[in-house]
Amino acid sequence: DAGVIQSPRHEVTEMGQEVTLRCKPISGHNSLFWYRQTMMRGLELLIYFNNNVPIDDSGMPEDRFSAKMPNASFSTLKIQPSEPRDSAVYFCASVILGGQETQYFGPGTRLLVL
Amino acid sequence: AQSVSQHNHHVILSEAASLELGCNYSYGGTVNLFWYVQYPGQHLQLLLKYFSGDPLVKGIKGFEAEFIKSKFSFNLRKPSVQWSDTAEYFCAAGSSNTGKLIFGQGTTLQVKP
Repeated sequence: DAGVIQSPRHEVTEMGQEVTLRCKPISGHNSLFWYRQTMMRGLELLIYFNNNVPIDDSGMPEDRFSAKMPNASFSTLKIQPSEPRDSAVYFCASVILGGQETQYFGPGTRLLVL
Repeated sequence: AQSVSQHNHHVILSEAASLELGCNYSYGGTVNLFWYVQYPGQHLQLLLKYFSGDPLVKGIKGFEAEFIKSKFSFNLRKPSVQWSDTAEYFCAAGSSNTGKLIFGQGTTLQVKP
């Protein structure tokens, strides 16, 4: 299996621009998580989906952030407009619900907002 | 409230020293426990996990952890660290029902050659 796939791996953009991060979970996994990691705040859970339905978005920092999961094999995290304080590494992870399963992380997208 | 606390934020050891990283959790109901490792510039990878059964869990690269229910602890150990163990280590607790994990703040381990 290819594992969790994220794109792009690196993104540099200017303040005010829209940023879209993409994630393809492991095939068969029915739960997907978006995390943000910074030096100051560590690893933060932004939002997660079970069976494509958003369950908890309390970690989404502001209305500028939105996430979708239109089907079981694809999710996006969008920031519009982006700000320098959004600079971070964004990880996507997936897991199979209900069993003794492990949450697997993608390689992350390193975002720099200038 | 659900939480995971890692006592050590930054640990510096010499090669061949023994390692123990503390992790305590607060979680209602049946809990699953994990240790993840993040090597510099990489993503989180699973070291080991506990769901049930033997409270002493062995993971990859010689790591082990012990679940002590009475102490709400899941400490990570390695008898002899190597320079290549330099990384950040995260303890996490979660439920099979939701899949959601609560992560600790992380412990940065630096191993001096």
